[in-house]
This record gives sequence, structure tokens and C-alpha cells, in this order.
Amino acid sequence: GESVGLHLPTLSVQEGDNSIINCAYSNSASDYFIWYKQESGKGPQFIIDIRSNMDKRQGQRVTVLLNKTVKHLSLQIAATQPGDSAVYFCAESRYTSGTYKYIFGTGTRLKVLA
Amino acid sequence: SQTIHQWPATLVQPVGSPLSLECTVEGTSNPNLYWYRQAAGRGLQLLFYSVGIGQISSEVPQNLSASRPQDRQFILSSKKLLLSDSGFYLCAWSWGETQYFGPGTRLLVL
Repeated sequence: GESVGLHLPTLSVQEGDNSIINCAYSNSASDYFIWYKQESGKGPQFIIDIRSNMDKRQGQRVTVLLNKTVKHLSLQIAATQPGDSAVYFCAESRYTSGTYKYIFGTGTRLKVLA
Repeated sequence: SQTIHQWPATLVQPVGSPLSLECTVEGTSNPNLYWYRQAAGRGLQLLFYSVGIGQISSEVPQNLSASRPQDRQFILSSKKLLLSDSGFYLCAWSWGETQYFGPGTRLLVL
């Protein structure tokens, strides 16, 4: 079936290194993708988004890359900090029945090592 | 700016008891509203969404129901809780394509 999934359930990186979190999606008709960060016991926090007419989008210390050919999405975090430790979710958005519905992956836990 | 509130933050309820979780949004009008459930270590499952007052769409058959009595208020309810209703319940709002989440309610049914 259609799904959005993550390759690595847990990613450990040294403080100061760059992190790359990957995500695969299966519906080529999806045209909007979002990354969220969820800290323990809290709601997901919007990080960055990208539309299907773009290949790359940059924010503050974060970059999202979209490869439509292989249906792959990645989140890059530069100079990873302890405060980046969290679970990261990707989601794809589809418009249906009057609203945009998201399909989420199960998430990748990022652990920053001091 | 927009803010979204959920309460209570944590709730412990016995099996068979009723449930009412509330979500309110400030700083916007006519938002789309969503209820999600997140099981431990899992992704988010969409339960209900609403595009306007009194308009509720259910995504999965379950023991829960939702209502939207006011433009910026979304309520998740149950008449009789099951053990399987335990989880982390998240409310979200959107006024376009991007959804923004509330702080969540952790529900434990014993």
C-alpha cells in the first residue's frame, strides 16, 4: 500500500557533526512534504517543508532535499547540537475531501553524543 | 500569532469511563482541525478532521467521536473507554496545507 517510511529508526551523531535523516514515500502524486521534530512528551514541531516543484529548500541549519525520481526525502541538520535530540517525522500531504491529509512515517530518533 | 491548546495534559481513566478531551485554537478563524493518536514509538494516525463548525469526518472506525461546537474548538469524546484507547492524543490546526500541532494529551486507560 501507499506509505511514507524511514530507513533508520535511530541515528546517533557526534555533537557538531552533520545529521542526515532519510524518508521514502510511495505516492508520486503527493506534492507537499513536511518534516517535524518531536521532543519527548511534546507535540510535533514544524521544521521545514518542500513542494514537489523544488529539489532543495534551506532553513536555519536545516536543509530538505527531494528526489522525485526515487521518491526520497531527506533532512540535513548542520552542526548538530544536543537540543536537536528528538524524533523526526516526515509526512506527505494529499488533498482529499476538502482538506489536506498527512501520511506520517514512524519516525527516526536522533541522538546527539557529547 | 496562532496558538493551540489542549487539556488536560495527562489523564488516567478506568476502563468503561467517559472521555472528553478539548482543543482550542487562538489567533485564527475557520481553521481546519484534526485529531491524531500516537501509540508509543509509533507514527501519527489521523482519527478525525473538521473543515467547519459541526462538520466532522472520521478516518477510522473506533470507540471515539469528535465534535466542533465552535469555530476554534474541537472535542474528542468517548462514552466508554477501552484499554486500547490509551495513547498520546494530538490536536492540530491548519489554514492551508501546513498543520501545526498542540502539546498533546497523554491518556492512560487502566
